[in-house]
Amino acid sequence: EDKVVQSPLSLVVHEGDTVTLNCSYEVTNFRSLLWYKQEKKAPTFLFMLTSSGIEKKSGRLSSILDKKELSSILNITATQTGDSAIYLCAVANAGGTSYGKLTFGQGTILTVHP
Amino acid sequence: DAGITQSPRHKVTETGTPVTLRCHQTENHRYMYWYRQDPGHGLRLIHYSYGVKDTDKGEVSDGYSVSRSKTEDFLLTLESATSSQTSVYFCAIREEDTQYFGPGTRLTVL
Repeated sequence: EDKVVQSPLSLVVHEGDTVTLNCSYEVTNFRSLLWYKQEKKAPTFLFMLTSSGIEKKSGRLSSILDKKELSSILNITATQTGDSAIYLCAVANAGGTSYGKLTFGQGTILTVHP
Repeated sequence: DAGITQSPRHKVTETGTPVTLRCHQTENHRYMYWYRQDPGHGLRLIHYSYGVKDTDKGEVSDGYSVSRSKTEDFLLTLESATSSQTSVYFCAIREEDTQYFGPGTRLTVL
């Protein structure tokens, strides 16, 4: 059974801090790893990672995949109150009709105080 | 929003009643998914569809059934709702290698 574990489960920081969110996985047939941000509504897509060591970057957010360690990190620099959200990590399966099926971690709740 | 709508957006029902949630998409995507989200569990896959009349179970399919008679609609049915099915339900479509989510339905079973 595919498994995705995120840490920490919750994190409280102050504006301007840098945070690192972790995601580790056990998947029988890995295709890709995705990060989503969820505020008080549906998850919105941030990044998709397929290759080890290649950083994806969008503004103050960046992410990298380590396929040897079966893990990924999501970094947020110079945090703002608008970064407060649940950050979800998911791993996509590559096999047959399960192709693209996502297994999600529990999520990390990030709270950024002014 | 990838052209996904869900209905109803909120529903309160009683234990033992049947409930059907609808997911509608306008962009002809082949793959559609139903998830539930509960505190501490992230999103968990209930059922998914890889084409008209082609569906399969996810990790938490007990107590749920689905149907897809046309590309644009994917229905999730709770045959006899229980309090443990109180949750937020999200529909998603797959576009290339990424899934995009609908706005969600908050279901409360009393």
